[in-house]
Amino acid sequence: EIVLTQSPATLSVSPGERATLSCRASQNLNNFLAWYQKKPGQAPRLLIYDASTRATGIPARFSGSGSGTEFTLTVSSVQSEDFAVYFCQQFHTWPPGNFGQGTKLEIK
Amino acid sequence: QVHLVESGGGFLKPGGSLRLSCAASGFSFSEEYMSWIRLAPGKGPEWISYISGSGNTQVYSDSVRGRFTISRDNAKNLLYLQMDSLRAEDTAVYYCARDIRIYHFWGQGTLVTVSS
Repeated sequence: EIVLTQSPATLSVSPGERATLSCRASQNLNNFLAWYQKKPGQAPRLLIYDASTRATGIPARFSGSGSGTEFTLTVSSVQSEDFAVYFCQQFHTWPPGNFGQGTKLEIK
Repeated sequence: QVHLVESGGGFLKPGGSLRLSCAASGFSFSEEYMSWIRLAPGKGPEWISYISGSGNTQVYSDSVRGRFTISRDNAKNLLYLQMDSLRAEDTAVYYCARDIRIYHFWGQGTLVTVSS
């Protein structure tokens, strides 16, 4: 089973700063990785798929990079609405297409 | 605009049963695979089942196979999850999602709590 490890567990940044979130896979995923944003009481939202393709309607400040086993989600200038939990998900081996444990992006 | 609304969650004891529903709109429901995904406190999301557009194919995760049953009513644009023999570890918010592999659209979720 592929294991996804997200780091850090919590990332504290000030609005306007850059945020860099990491997702490491236990096996080569090629570029079969997605990122989701989850806010309390809201539906999860797809941000990035195929490691670097922004989903429809996602602001350009969100970008994804990486391939193989190391992936990064970058928020170039964090806005107040970006404070949330972010999950990575692999779909190289699917099902189950498991998710990481999440990184909480919080206000510093 | 794709819209998914789950319902049917609740509080129940171990061994109990529950049926979740997901009302879909804004797309051609019968043409799309649908999935159920759950999010337990302190954990990452977990895919648990999907069903083909026709309903002929159903696949389950190891954690729910034999206890949960996914189904759909394409005439009513409804997706279902019948949950039997519930356990404490099934406690989670349950989401329906359109598609498989990459989940472009999710509902807001419905909370299922299993506790004695």
